[in-house]
Amino acid sequence: AQSVSQHNHHVILSEAASLELGCNYSYGGTVNLFWYVQYPGQHLQLLLKYFSGDPLVKGIKGFEAEFIKSKFSFNLRKPSVQWSDTAEYFCAVNAGTGGFKTIFGAGTRLFVKA
Amino acid sequence: GAVVSQHPSRVICKSGTSVKIECRSLDFQATTMFWYRQFPKQSLMLMATSNEGSKATYEQGVEKDKFLINHASLTLSTLTVTSAHPEDSSFYICSAEAFGKKAEAFFGQGTRLTVV
Repeated sequence: AQSVSQHNHHVILSEAASLELGCNYSYGGTVNLFWYVQYPGQHLQLLLKYFSGDPLVKGIKGFEAEFIKSKFSFNLRKPSVQWSDTAEYFCAVNAGTGGFKTIFGAGTRLFVKA
Repeated sequence: GAVVSQHPSRVICKSGTSVKIECRSLDFQATTMFWYRQFPKQSLMLMATSNEGSKATYEQGVEKDKFLINHASLTLSTLTVTSAHPEDSSFYICSAEAFGKKAEAFFGQGTRLTVV
């Protein structure tokens, strides 16, 4: 069965600091990987996704993630965070070409101090 | 494009009553829809996968007689919480997978259910 593990439950950073959120998954086959963000009081939004091709994926708002197949990892990065990045971040994975369930990690709550 | 709308956004009901939550894909056809439940400060827990025209597939531990799912058309899936109890109070979120957009799901804004 698929599972997703996010290493950090809470992260506190100052503005302009660099961010890296860890995500590991367990599934032996081909996977599709996602990072979602949930701002306070809002619904989930897709930050970026990986299906195939270049393992370094660039998303919205300056975020990027790198798929390392050998490590079953898909870590999210941003070189310089802003106060507006305060939110909860979810890593998610699904397997296959469609119609398969997406499993979410527990989430990482990021607070950026102004 | 790819907008998913949930209705209602908030609902309060009495114990023992049933509540229906709708999930609509507004500008695309969704062959597959997913229903999640999110507890406070926790992640989304998949409840069931709904395919248009067929029975939903429920995750282990989810009571299918309590959480009735109907996916009658390519743009609408409904979740009915039957005989609601206070412990059913939660945030319910649907997502829809667009036909032709491989494996990417779009999320509704969620429904906050409070059972009193």
